[in-house]
Amino acid sequence: KNEVEQSPQNLTAQEGEFITINCSYSVGISALHWLQQHPGGGIVSLFMLSSGKKKHGRLIATINIQEKHSSLHITASHPRDSAVYICAVPADGQNFVFGPGTRLSVLP
Amino acid sequence: GAGVSQTPSNKVTEKGKYVELRCDPISGHTALYWYRQSLGQGPEFLIYFQGTGAADDSGLPNDRFFAVRPEGSVSTLKIQRTERGDSAVYLCASSLLGQGPTPLHFGNGTRLTVT
Repeated sequence: KNEVEQSPQNLTAQEGEFITINCSYSVGISALHWLQQHPGGGIVSLFMLSSGKKKHGRLIATINIQEKHSSLHITASHPRDSAVYICAVPADGQNFVFGPGTRLSVLP
Repeated sequence: GAGVSQTPSNKVTEKGKYVELRCDPISGHTALYWYRQSLGQGPEFLIYFQGTGAADDSGLPNDRFFAVRPEGSVSTLKIQRTERGDSAVYLCASSLLGQGPTPLHFGNGTRLTVT
């Protein structure tokens, strides 16, 4: 079974700071998902990536398949980025295993 | 277009009662997943449907939990004799099944509180 770890568990940043959230997993995968969950809200899929890097606005996701590691970066962070960020990787078949999440608070 | 819809958004029930939680996936999505999320934790897998059949129900915690998807679209998660420990947010997600990985689309969840 794939084990997924995330760091840091909690992160507080000042508005405008560059933020990095890390995800590591134990078993090779075909793709990794980064998800965002606002307090009391549903989960939104941010990225699905299999290799290299993807960028969407101020969000950048990278993955190193050999090292079984992915990072989510937020440039010029804003209070509205405050949320829990979760990485998810395939488990058996089409199922997924989720990391514990990183709780981000961006202060104005 | 419409996303994944879950109803009700909140459900409060008494211990021992029966509840049904509904998930309406994105039209055409063959894969449907149910997860449970407790406060401060990541989603925990319950059951996964491929079409009408449960491809993997290994995450259901016990026989009080059951889920159906009779026509391969809407799914209902059923919990009998609810216990206080069942209180959580129940999340549904859907995706297309293809040759490779496809994005997951989540509903907003149903917050179940068992008193």
